[in-house]
Amino acid sequence: EIVLTQSPDFQSVTPKEKVTITCRASQSIGSSLHWYQQKADQSPKLLIKYASQSISGVPSRFSGSGSGTDFTLTINSLEAEDAATYYCHQSSSLYSFGQGTKLEIK
Amino acid sequence: QVQLVESGGGVVQPGGSLRLSCAASGFTFSSYGMHWVRQAPGKGLEWVAFIRYDGTNKYYADSVKGRFTVSRDNSKHTLYLQMNSLRAEDTAVYYCAKDWGSNTLFDYWGQGTLVTVSS
Repeated sequence: EIVLTQSPDFQSVTPKEKVTITCRASQSIGSSLHWYQQKADQSPKLLIKYASQSISGVPSRFSGSGSGTDFTLTINSLEAEDAATYYCHQSSSLYSFGQGTKLEIK
Repeated sequence: QVQLVESGGGVVQPGGSLRLSCAASGFTFSSYGMHWVRQAPGKGLEWVAFIRYDGTNKYYADSVKGRFTVSRDNSKHTLYLQMNSLRAEDTAVYYCAKDWGSNTLFDYWGQGTLVTVSS
């Protein structure tokens, strides 16, 4: 089983700040890493696929990078509406999720 | 637009059974694999099961293998999850999700249905 570990678990940030969330896989997964955003009381929403590929309709301030075991989700110029929990997900060997990173907007 | 609507959740006693349904619309249901993903109260996401577009291949998380069965009826555009021998730790919101393609990622999600296992 591939274990994904995200950091940090929680971050309190101010609007317009740049945010970086990392996801580390327990073994190499190539670029089979995807990111989701889940706002309070909503279902998850796909943000980034295959580590760095953008999704239609997702604001351009969201970007992803990485390959192998280390991946990053970056949010440039954070907005209040970005308050949510973010999850990474691997599809290299069945499926697993990171534990989530909760972003609080100050 | 793609819509996924789950139903069938509720309160069930430990050891009991429940069947969830997911009605799909807005895309060619018979051409895509489908998943079930769950989320325990206040916890993270856990993948539960996958079924190929034609129903020939199915995969399960170890935590539900032998107890849960995923199936689909392409003529009714509906996905199912039969849950038997339910345990307290199965308490969660259950989401159905559409596979993007080639058994990879979840590009659309339903709103979820809550299953509570309690005596």
